[in-house]
Amino acid sequence: ELKVEQNPLFLSMQEGKNYTIYCNYSTTSDRLYWYRQDPGKSLESLFVLLSNGAVKQEGRLMASLDTKARLSTLHITAAVHDLSATYFCAVDVTGAGSYQLTFGKGTKLSVIP
Amino acid sequence: NAGVMQNPRHLVRRRGQEARLRCSPMKGHSHVYWYRQLPEEGLKFMVYLQKENIIDESGMPKERFSAEFPKEGPSILRIQQVVRGDSAAYFCASSPPMRNEQFFGPGTRLTVL
Repeated sequence: ELKVEQNPLFLSMQEGKNYTIYCNYSTTSDRLYWYRQDPGKSLESLFVLLSNGAVKQEGRLMASLDTKARLSTLHITAAVHDLSATYFCAVDVTGAGSYQLTFGKGTKLSVIP
Repeated sequence: NAGVMQNPRHLVRRRGQEARLRCSPMKGHSHVYWYRQLPEEGLKFMVYLQKENIIDESGMPKERFSAEFPKEGPSILRIQQVVRGDSAAYFCASSPPMRNEQFFGPGTRLTVL
C-alpha cells in the first residue's frame, strides 16, 4: 500500500522567513503533485512534477522531486500572509492502471505578520 | 471553459436517508474520480470512472456506496442509509484520457444529523 507522509503537519512562520515542507512516499512513482487548499475550499493545483530532478517555481514557492529518494520538497521563500493555507502533496502509482492519487495528510501553514 | 462542477455544494441529511452527489467534469474530460475528505485529513480516493465504466472502486466502502458515470449526464455518487460517519467533504476530479493532471471541483459538504 502506498504511503505518503508530509512533515511538518503544522507550521507557523513569520513573514519574511524561509521554510521547507517535505513529502516522502513509499513506492515507485514518477509523478507528484502539490495542491493548496484554503479553508472550506477546493484544491488548487500548484505544481506537477514529472521526472527525477524536476524543479518548478511559481512566485515564492518552489517544488522539487527526487524519485530515487522518493522525496519531494516545497520551499517557501520570504513568506507572506497570503500563503497561509493547507498544502498537500499527492502521488499516483506508476503503472497501476488506475490514476488514483494518494494524498499526504497536509501541512497547515500559518504565516504570522 | 467551465471547471469541474459539483452540486449540491452543501447537503444535509438525517440518518437513514439517501445522499446523491453530482459531478460534471470539465469539457473534454472523460475520466472522473471521487475523493472523500474528513476534517483535518487529506483526501482519500474512493472510485475512478470513465463513461459507463467503473475502472477502480478499491476505495469505496463495500456497502451503501455506489457510483456511476452514464453516457449522458453527470457522474453520481450515491450513499444509501447515511450515518453520521459519512459526514465529510466529497470532491470530484476530472482529467482527460491517459495519465494527466486531475482538476478538482468545489466539493460537496455532507452533514448527517
